[in-house]
Amino acid sequence: QVHLVQSGAEVKKPGSSVRVSCKTSGGSLSSDAISWVRQAPGEGLEWLGGIIPIFNTANYAQKFLGRVTISTDAPPTTAYMVLSSLRSDDTAVYFCAKSAGFGASAKSYMNVWGNGTTVIVSS
Amino acid sequence: DIELTQSPRTLSLSPGQRATLSCRASRSVSSSTYLAWYQQKPGQAPRLLIYGASNRASGIPDRFSGSGSGTDFTLTISRLEPEDFAVYYCQQYGRSVWTFGQGTKVEVK
Repeated sequence: QVHLVQSGAEVKKPGSSVRVSCKTSGGSLSSDAISWVRQAPGEGLEWLGGIIPIFNTANYAQKFLGRVTISTDAPPTTAYMVLSSLRSDDTAVYFCAKSAGFGASAKSYMNVWGNGTTVIVSS
Repeated sequence: DIELTQSPRTLSLSPGQRATLSCRASRSVSSSTYLAWYQQKPGQAPRLLIYGASNRASGIPDRFSGSGSGTDFTLTISRLEPEDFAVYYCQQYGRSVWTFGQGTKVEVK
């Protein structure tokens, strides 16, 4: 059973950047895709983007283009999400999630989720 | 991007009752069925319930069922158990950019 373990909570100043990691236990990410989803306090889920390490290809939501970068290490056991130019409304819990497919694919549903990382942006 | 609109936003029901949740897409989801449903309880990560519009994920009880294609999708819980009171999200993966609905909260009446 694959588990995704995320890095700990972060408190950041407006205008700075944050990096959140997501490490797989029980296997590698070589054939899977990893997405990042966030949830602001009391709000719904919001997809930021995803990556498929085997093709080193990432997709991003239009809203976050230019501000978010998703990457993995090699061999791919850990995924990273960097969000820059932080604002107070970036305060949220950030989840990583694994899918067997990427993009528009029959297997692109997210079936394994990380434990979540709280990011607080405050001056 | 495809927008997903869920209705109702809140559903107040009693245990044992049937729940019917709707998810409508602004454009047809690619291949008609690239839609998933997730359950989320407070303080927890989402859990995959349904994929491909109508396929139950591993370990999901058969009281959960999904249907629909194109732009209109439905999640049905045949008889609500106490542990089913939660927030439910639909999500489309029929484009390179994925989107979620805003969620439906199923609460105890």
